[in-house]
Amino acid sequence: NAGVTQTPKFRVLKTGQSMTLLCAQDMNHEYMYWYRQDPGMGLRLIHYSVGEGTTAKGEVPDGYNVSRLKKQNFLLGLESAAPSQTSVYFCASSYSTSGNTYEQYFGPGTRLTVT
Amino acid sequence: GQSLEQPSEVTAVEGAIVQINCTYQTSGFYGLSWYQQHDGGAPTFLSYNALDGLEETGRFSSFLSRSDSYGYLLLQELQMKDSASYFCAVEEGQNFVFGPGTRLSVLP
Repeated sequence: NAGVTQTPKFRVLKTGQSMTLLCAQDMNHEYMYWYRQDPGMGLRLIHYSVGEGTTAKGEVPDGYNVSRLKKQNFLLGLESAAPSQTSVYFCASSYSTSGNTYEQYFGPGTRLTVT
Repeated sequence: GQSLEQPSEVTAVEGAIVQINCTYQTSGFYGLSWYQQHDGGAPTFLSYNALDGLEETGRFSSFLSRSDSYGYLLLQELQMKDSASYFCAVEEGQNFVFGPGTRLSVLP
């Protein structure tokens, strides 16, 4: 099993450009998440999904959109990149048992720089 | 609002025991998790507490007191490879709120 994979690993964008980050998981997890992590800080939730075809906003959703058309994939889009979106983006997935979501499995991250 | 507090840095020597505290204020609470993150790496799961008490997993233990909105991660027999950042995270229903992280430095 590959676990959680993210594409691309690195990207440099100019202000105003758009891009899509792809997250894929092969563990048949229901829940998927997108986080951003700025230097020296914790992870902040951007958007999440509790199942195929569903998405919800997290703590910092502005400037991002997501889609979960297939259970194994969760896409994060930046429509018009801004320097404030320079960050490391992590995708995660999890399952839920007895109402508790328990452990999240993280991808390796995408390092995005917006100039 | 939501907030989690952790010490920003902790330093200890090899073989010692260290405790990293986490206090939280959140609108909902299902459980408290702990994650380890090495520089340049992804967070990896260490432990999860849904109920009060101590959970032990090898050299690592985690404690939760729901009435005090408080938990801690206890690392025993510290090794150099334990040098990393440690994050507590509150599960609020279907999403998670992470703390700012504690950077642990283990000295020889």
